[in-house]
Amino acid sequence: EAEVAQSPRYKITEKSQAVAFWCDPISGHATLYWYRQILGQGPELLVQFQDESVVDDSQLPKDRFSAERLKGVDSTLKIQPAELGDSAMYLCASSLEGARSSYNEQFFGPGTRLTVL
Amino acid sequence: AQKVTQAQTEISVVEKEDVTLDCVYETRDTTYYLFWYKQPPSGELVFLIRRNSFDEQNEISGRYSWNFQKSTSSFNFTITASQVVDSAVYFCALSEDGGRRALTFGSGTRLQVQP
Repeated sequence: EAEVAQSPRYKITEKSQAVAFWCDPISGHATLYWYRQILGQGPELLVQFQDESVVDDSQLPKDRFSAERLKGVDSTLKIQPAELGDSAMYLCASSLEGARSSYNEQFFGPGTRLTVL
Repeated sequence: AQKVTQAQTEISVVEKEDVTLDCVYETRDTTYYLFWYKQPPSGELVFLIRRNSFDEQNEISGRYSWNFQKSTSSFNFTITASQVVDSAVYFCALSEDGGRRALTFGSGTRLQVQP
């Protein structure tokens, strides 16, 4: 069964360091989402891609976060510099059509758990 | 703006008890989808159910049932005869614009089922 892949699964870094997460969506899925889940809270959208274009990055802290999906397939989320408050689970999800058509199920990856010391 | 509220932060029940998890949502859209996800301690999000805004029929799946009421903007989830394996955090979520938008999640309800 096709799955959304994420790496690494766990990352420990020191504040002020740069960190990057990778996501490989299900093959053929046009829409890719990055969510951040702080401990004890629900996931919140950071950025939504349709193919290689950003659809929604209104909640992305652009001073330190960047995201790209250059060829419209896999995606990288970067934080530089990392802060203590960035400790969270970073979840990637993908859907077949997403913003292009009505409801398409979002499939979630296992997440990357980031700890900033 | 859209919003999902799960007022119950944590619920503890004894095995075999019935339990209802509440979800209240806010949206100005007329076409939207509502969801429930389960997040066990391992961390992955497990999809449980989706319901579109035009379908107010209640649904039952085994021990799980869902009650969608547009009049009160609620989408509640009931587990009948709870089991220890039901222990997890449960999230209610909303996707506006006919399901084209990203999910807006509630803050979650932690359910602990004691043996």
